[in-house]
This record gives sequence, structure tokens and C-alpha cells, in this order.
Amino acid sequence: DAGVIQSPRHEVTEMGQEVTLRCKPISGHDYLFWYRQTMMRGLELLIYFNNNVPIDDSGMPEDRFSAKMPNASFSTLKIQPSEPRDSAVYFCASSRMSGQGNQPQHFGDGTRLSIL
Amino acid sequence: AQSVAQPEDQVNVAEGNPLTVKCTYSVSGNPYLFWYVQYPNRGLQFLLKYITGDNLVKGSYGFEAEFNKSQTSFHLKKPSALVSDSALYFCAVRAVYNTDKLIFGTGTRLQVFP
Repeated sequence: DAGVIQSPRHEVTEMGQEVTLRCKPISGHDYLFWYRQTMMRGLELLIYFNNNVPIDDSGMPEDRFSAKMPNASFSTLKIQPSEPRDSAVYFCASSRMSGQGNQPQHFGDGTRLSIL
Repeated sequence: AQSVAQPEDQVNVAEGNPLTVKCTYSVSGNPYLFWYVQYPNRGLQFLLKYITGDNLVKGSYGFEAEFNKSQTSFHLKKPSALVSDSALYFCAVRAVYNTDKLIFGTGTRLQVFP
């Protein structure tokens, strides 16, 4: 079975440019999560969706960040305008609905973003 | 607030020796606890979880974890370490009741020496 698929795997762009990260969750999964990983801050939850609806976006660092999930098989995380401090590895994860939080999350291999 | 702590940034062990990676938690209500492993340039992979029942949970790649309610701990263990076990290990706890949001620890780097 295909896992969570993220694209691109690597992105290098200049400060001020718009960046769009993409994620295809595992088919049948109801939850989708976006995380950011840095050496300084570790793994941070940015936002998560349930059945395509954003549930908690309290981790989104500022208005430059936005996320959408137009359908059950696709989500985007957009940064506009990008800044060097946004450089990090961004992960997407998905999980089945449990209602009790006992289902594991399945992670993609991430997008390594470098803002010059 | 729910939280999880991994007190060791790095654990070093010789191949063939038993290994333990420590995790303590603080939750309101019953804890749902998870261990994940991250290999270089890869996403986190689920190893095992404790929801209820037997305090000793067995997972992938020969790993197991022991839930200890009195010590609020959920340590990851393996009887005999392999060099290929070298990776970053994360403990996680469910954030609040009836949600799929996880709170992750800061991670522990396991280094297994030949």
C-alpha cells in the first residue's frame, strides 16, 4: 500500500517567494496533520484536518502560512512570502478516525525546505 | 496540560547489549502513549502504542515498552541492540480527551556501536 506522499522532497528558493508543499494522505484516512521539524524547536504541529475541515491551526506560526484540504486525497501548505527562518523539514501525516486518539499517525518522508 | 519528556538527548549502547530509551508523561485521565522512530532523511515510523491492558507492549523490530502508571513512565526497550537500530526515537502522548492530536517529546538519539 502506498504511504503518505509528499512533494517536492526538496525545495530551495529565495526569500520572498511563494512556496507550496503538497501531501497525499493514505486512502481512507480521515485525519491529516502538518508538522515542522527543526533542530532548535523539534517537531511542531502546525495544523490538522478532520474530514477535510481544519480543526486546530493554533500551531501555524503567522499569517504567512496557510493550509488547505480541498478533498480527501490532497492537501497543501503554503508560505507567502517565505523567509529564511521558515527553513525546516515539513512533514505530513495521516491517520484513521478513532474518536479516541488511539490510531497511530503515518508520516510522509517530508519536504526539506531551504529559504535563501 | 498534557506533556511528555525524554530526559536523554542521546543514548549509546554496544551492539548485542540491551537498550532503554526513557519517556515520562503527564496527562489528565488515561494516557494513550506512542513510540516512533525516525531514520535519516525519513519520516517518523510508528513502533508501538499503549492504550489499555497489559503493561508490556510489543512492537515492530523487536522493540517493546513498559507502561508504569505509578512512575508515569513508558520506557522503550530492546533485549539486544543492533547497529541498524541507530536512529532518533520519539515518545508521544495523546493531547486531550477524544482527539487525535499527539504531543511529541524532543527525541532521543540512539547510537549503537559495533
